[in-house]
Amino acid sequence: TQLLEQSPQFLSIQEGENLTVYCNSSSVFSSLQWYRQEPGEGPVLLVTVVTGGEVKKLKRLTFQFGDARKDSSLHITAAQPGDTGLYLCAGVWNAGNMLTFGGGTRLMVKP
Amino acid sequence: DTGVSQDPRHKITKRGQNVTFRCDPISEHNRLYWYRQTLGQGPEFLTYFQNEAQLEKSRLLSDRFSAERPKGSFSTLEIQRTEQGDSAMYLCASSSNRRIGSPYGYTFGSGTRLTVV
Repeated sequence: TQLLEQSPQFLSIQEGENLTVYCNSSSVFSSLQWYRQEPGEGPVLLVTVVTGGEVKKLKRLTFQFGDARKDSSLHITAAQPGDTGLYLCAGVWNAGNMLTFGGGTRLMVKP
Repeated sequence: DTGVSQDPRHKITKRGQNVTFRCDPISEHNRLYWYRQTLGQGPEFLTYFQNEAQLEKSRLLSDRFSAERPKGSFSTLEIQRTEQGDSAMYLCASSSNRRIGSPYGYTFGSGTRLTVV
């Protein structure tokens, strides 16, 4: 069974703080994606990473893929209340197969 | 295209009843997925279709669950003899494997929230 572990499960911070969310697996991914989900809605794709060591930036969000393609991180700079939500990582181990999701990190940013 | 549509958004049913959910994917997407998500957890894979062919089913999908995609467009997920443990958000997503180059992302619908009482 291929598992994705996310940490922390919950994070409550003040507006303006920085944070990092981690996603780990014992298996090598062919690709990994990060999604954000708001209550009552489906997940929305933020980014896809494919190459080991790859770093992608999306405004205040920085995504990193580990060199061995077994782990990833999401760093948010100067968090805002609008960043509140459930952040999910999801991996594909074999090209063409379905995504397997981690358990998610629930982020709350207080004004 | 308005994205992935799911109907209904909410369903309350009594234990033992059958329910059916519908998903309309993005029209040019040939792959369609069903996931189930319980409160505070990530989505769990149930099944997926490429065109009209059901290519993979999770062991989570008991005999009471069946999914179809008859013409390779919309899909239905039916749960027979519902149980309280079936209460969850049922998410549909679509994607295309026809893009050459970088991996595709999934586009999710807003889900159908099922409550079995």
